[in-house]
Amino acid sequence: QVQLQESGPGLVKPSETLSLTCAVSGGSFSDYYLNWIRQPPGKGLEWIGYISYSGSPMYNPSLKSRVTISVDTSKNQFSLKLNSVTAADTAVYYCAREKLHLATFDIWGQGTLVTVSS
Amino acid sequence: DIVMTQTPLSSPVTLGQPASISCRSSQSLVHSDGNTYMSWLQQRPGQPPRLLIYKISNRFSGVPDRFSGSGAETDFTLKISRVEAEDVGVYYCMQTTQFPYTFGQGTKLEIK
Repeated sequence: QVQLQESGPGLVKPSETLSLTCAVSGGSFSDYYLNWIRQPPGKGLEWIGYISYSGSPMYNPSLKSRVTISVDTSKNQFSLKLNSVTAADTAVYYCAREKLHLATFDIWGQGTLVTVSS
Repeated sequence: DIVMTQTPLSSPVTLGQPASISCRSSQSLVHSDGNTYMSWLQQRPGQPPRLLIYKISNRFSGVPDRFSGSGAETDFTLKISRVEAEDVGVYYCMQTTQFPYTFGQGTKLEIK
């Protein structure tokens, strides 16, 4: 059973860089895209971007200038970096697997809350 | 960006009764490959979203058959034939036909 688990600091200062990792266990992700999605407290979902196993990323244009998603296949994990954060970046960050022929998110991590505050 | 608009935003339902949620996209979700990549997600309180339906009407593994999806082009519907207590939560439609992927605002299903 494939599982995804997000990890990283729960508190980031304004103007600094948010860094999160998503560990994939229980299987390979060579046939999938690995996505990051976020949800501000009490609000809806926003797609941040994804990366393929081969390392090709795709980003939401609204965040593209500040986002980097990378993959480490040797560790079976992928990462999110969001720089120059503000309070508006406070959210629960989820990683999710996108099965290619389904083109949807079939497995989600539990999510991790990141608060941007000084 | 494709805007996904859900109605209603809140839906009080009696246990055992049906429920229906609509989702309208600002443009057709038919992909150049002929598929329509429209999904429905359920988010129970305090939980991550969970996939219910993909490609308009395909129930994901383990999803009860009281959930069904329908629609085409720009208009889609999620139906629950008989609402159970465990169905309480927020339901989102989502499109992955065009970048950036986008979600509806969410519909809160609650029991009367």
